[in-house]
Amino acid sequence: GAGVSQSPSNKVTEKGKDVELRCDPISGHTALYWYRQSLGQGLEFLIYFQGNSAPDKSGLPSDRFSAERTGGSVSTLTIQRTQQEDSAVYLCASSLVGGSEAFFGQGTRLTVV
Amino acid sequence: GNSVTQMEGPVTLSEEAFLTINCTYTATGYPSLFWYVQYPGEGLQLLLKATKADDKGSNKGFEATYRKETTSFHLEKGSVQVSDSAVYFCALSFTGTASKLTFGTGTRLQVTL
Repeated sequence: GAGVSQSPSNKVTEKGKDVELRCDPISGHTALYWYRQSLGQGLEFLIYFQGNSAPDKSGLPSDRFSAERTGGSVSTLTIQRTQQEDSAVYLCASSLVGGSEAFFGQGTRLTVV
Repeated sequence: GNSVTQMEGPVTLSEEAFLTINCTYTATGYPSLFWYVQYPGEGLQLLLKATKADDKGSNKGFEATYRKETTSFHLEKGSVQVSDSAVYFCALSFTGTASKLTFGTGTRLQVTL
């Protein structure tokens, strides 16, 4: 596709359920990022994939959060046993190489009720 | 580690006023610097960038100059419009496999008639 695609755009889930958020980066982009943006807050880094290197998971807030990137393309962010504080907009971005201009998706708005 | 500090918002200006949003950074070495903008209801998009000291990035009437001596990358616009109302994020990165974008907390700009 022409840009970074995220799905779903909105997700409402019950507390304690697991959710999966998907990101389709721009074709050929080797770097992929996940960020979280809570209401009125800035961007919180979650995880960074660069090619075949081990991902930088330093931003994941707890072991309930995990992410994978299959075949160097599509990425899935999984949140297990969701809590209300997980409610936020989850943003995915990709760039041609690490550190170059990043292109963002529209985000997934997650609401935990 | 690397970090970016932005001025607190929100910033409220009348149309045609002069805008400055301060951004300073802490990093080892000389990163690339970026300003991203998030318009209401939209995803983040790159506004401008500079990759080395004394470079000036410019776009849509906005400018920012990479100042190595003051480790700053302040965003300026001579005459703001209502359509410039958005959240502005300063960011840095180092190009390379180990790099990731580091963002500031964002500054909300509200321009009124």
